Amino acid sequence: QKEVEQDPGPLSVPEGAIVSLNCTYSNSAFQYFMWYRQYSRKGPELLMYTYSSGNKEDGRFTAQVDKSSKYISLFIRDSQPSDSATYLCAMKKGSYIPTFGRGTSLIVHP
Amino acid sequence: SAVISQKPSRDICQRGTSLTIQCQVDSQVTMMFWYRQQPGQSLTLIATANQGSEATYESGFVIDKFPISRPNLTFSTLTVSNMSPEDSSIYLCSVEAGATYEQYFGPGTRLTVT
Repeated sequence: QKEVEQDPGPLSVPEGAIVSLNCTYSNSAFQYFMWYRQYSRKGPELLMYTYSSGNKEDGRFTAQVDKSSKYISLFIRDSQPSDSATYLCAMKKGSYIPTFGRGTSLIVHP
Repeated sequence: SAVISQKPSRDICQRGTSLTIQCQVDSQVTMMFWYRQQPGQSLTLIATANQGSEATYESGFVIDKFPISRPNLTFSTLTVSNMSPEDSSIYLCSVEAGATYEQYFGPGTRLTVT
């Protein structure tokens, strides 16, 4: 079993939909949880960074961490075609190097 | 946050040659990282480079194949030596910055080996 599991998709949704992207993990020591957005032919861009369990909201984006279930989610409200990208989850313990998921390809069609 | 630039952005190279990728950061950072990303795959860490010390390589990566330099706190290079088609990939430079040690990435270098 991989430490971090993420469905590669693609996930295709209509413009305006609420998108839910998810990752599961096996290492209960992970404390920091991140979501990156990667457009085609670009480097990953840090989108959300959370510590421990709970929710964090930033504009149309909400990151949710459930440590008891070892499950993290990224919700995108009112999705736009410009949100079409690959979303990578990542997590780490303390100052250790993050472990990344494979990324989920999201397509938002007009 | 940190702003990272990489050169070249892409290259097509012949088998058996070497390519050096440069990474420049807009602020001084202690730790720099080099990753490889193949299509549909997760990011794979090649090595961690701290200024003033030898790079630390991950399992499956060796210094002879991927020599790294870290001459100062804002710059690093990764060389891909004696290339083969299996080295075709995107190579990403990354740094740790910010109060909570977030990790930021450069735009990547897309390498094709023929």
